[in-house]
Amino acid sequence: DQQVKQNSPSLSVQEGRISILNCDYTNSMFDYFLWYKKYPAEGPTFLISISSIKDKNEDGRFTVFLNKSAKHLSLHIVPSQPGDSAVYFCAATRGGADGLTFGKGTHLIIQP
Amino acid sequence: ETGVTQSPTHLIKTRGQQVTLRCSSQSGHNTVSWYQQALGQGPQFIFQYYREEENGRGNFPPRFSGLQFPNYSSELNVNALELDDSALYLCASSSSLRYEQYFGPGTRLTVT
Repeated sequence: DQQVKQNSPSLSVQEGRISILNCDYTNSMFDYFLWYKKYPAEGPTFLISISSIKDKNEDGRFTVFLNKSAKHLSLHIVPSQPGDSAVYFCAATRGGADGLTFGKGTHLIIQP
Repeated sequence: ETGVTQSPTHLIKTRGQQVTLRCSSQSGHNTVSWYQQALGQGPQFIFQYYREEENGRGNFPPRFSGLQFPNYSSELNVNALELDDSALYLCASSSSLRYEQYFGPGTRLTVT
């Protein structure tokens, strides 16, 4: 039972354009959502997060949107840069001692 | 500020053996979590330690156990290793006041 789903295993975007990564979840008890970026041979790096009481959070080139009624969130990267090429993981948690529940990841490839 | 560190980087063990993986938390963090990441999957929550006690656990059998020390460093112990235990093991530290977790580079365990 996959509670966090990233349905696109890979995404190719031209440098300078917008990258949009999508994530769906099934557990309505999730209270907080996070995006991580992972390069090969490194651990995941925290990018940006959003509380369930908000619908948008921005940090520089990164914006996360949350649609609670659709149980859907997305990460927008504008403009996309070559260094953004990595695997992006969506994660969710109910908080406390619950741990993070991750999706399978989307491999973002930025084309020059 | 020192990030999360893990040792060893790589490890090869034989089925049935026991293994201990180590993690040092980021300074200022009092909570440590462990995750298992199989190839092509997102990280899966094993357990979390706070104040030297396990206070949250994912869907992993009791042969996965851990410790947290007074300096907030941690160990993951796996007994009776199985071939399916081959994976990247990630340690993450966090403050009990926040949801964001910060990951180490991981330990790649191969069970033959």
